[in-house]
Amino acid sequence: DQQVKQNSPSLSVQEGRISILNCDYTNSMFDYFLWYKKYPAEGPTFLISISSIKDKNEDGRFTVFLNKSAKHLSLHIVPSQPGDSAVYFCAASDISNFGNEKLTFGTGTRLTIIP
Amino acid sequence: EPEVTQTPSHQVTQMGQEVILRCVPISNHLYFYWYRQILGQKVEFLVSFYNNEISEKSEIFDDQFSVERPDGSNFTLKIRSTKLEDSAMYFCASSGFIAGGPGYIRGETQYFGPGTRLLVL
Repeated sequence: DQQVKQNSPSLSVQEGRISILNCDYTNSMFDYFLWYKKYPAEGPTFLISISSIKDKNEDGRFTVFLNKSAKHLSLHIVPSQPGDSAVYFCAASDISNFGNEKLTFGTGTRLTIIP
Repeated sequence: EPEVTQTPSHQVTQMGQEVILRCVPISNHLYFYWYRQILGQKVEFLVSFYNNEISEKSEIFDDQFSVERPDGSNFTLKIRSTKLEDSAMYFCASSGFIAGGPGYIRGETQYFGPGTRLLVL
């Protein structure tokens, strides 16, 4: 039951260019979305989040866009840097679990920044 | 910056043995979670814990699993009789208080520990 999908298992981007990572979801009860970055043998590191009442949230080089009607969100990284090379997970939580923020994760996209 | 810590970083055990994975959540957090990631698969929710009781658990979290907050700082996951398929990375996470109301933007994020790699032989 893939409620959160990341259809691109990998992505390669030139350093300095924009990286765009995509995520789709099926559960209309999801109301809070997060992006995590993960290096091998480490835990997921929180990057940025967005509530369903917004369509954009920006934090430095990272911007997350949410299209509720399409059940789609994307993470933009600009400019991309070599240190951004990692696996990026999209995650979502469900309004019906208010106060108990179980996260449903996508399968991840491995981003490689080419110097 | 406060962080979630986990011990041990690696654990090798024989099938049928009991293991206890330990976590120290961020000190002022109130919600605690365990997730796992089998090699090559996605991160999966196991259990959430609040106010000294389980809030929710997944299908994976069967009778072989238990969680405990034995003191004010530690949060443990016990697997009573390990199976080969329990081999995975286990991540602890914690988050702060989540207030709410119409239009409230939830800002409380789950912060993850570095994980314990469990290998069952």
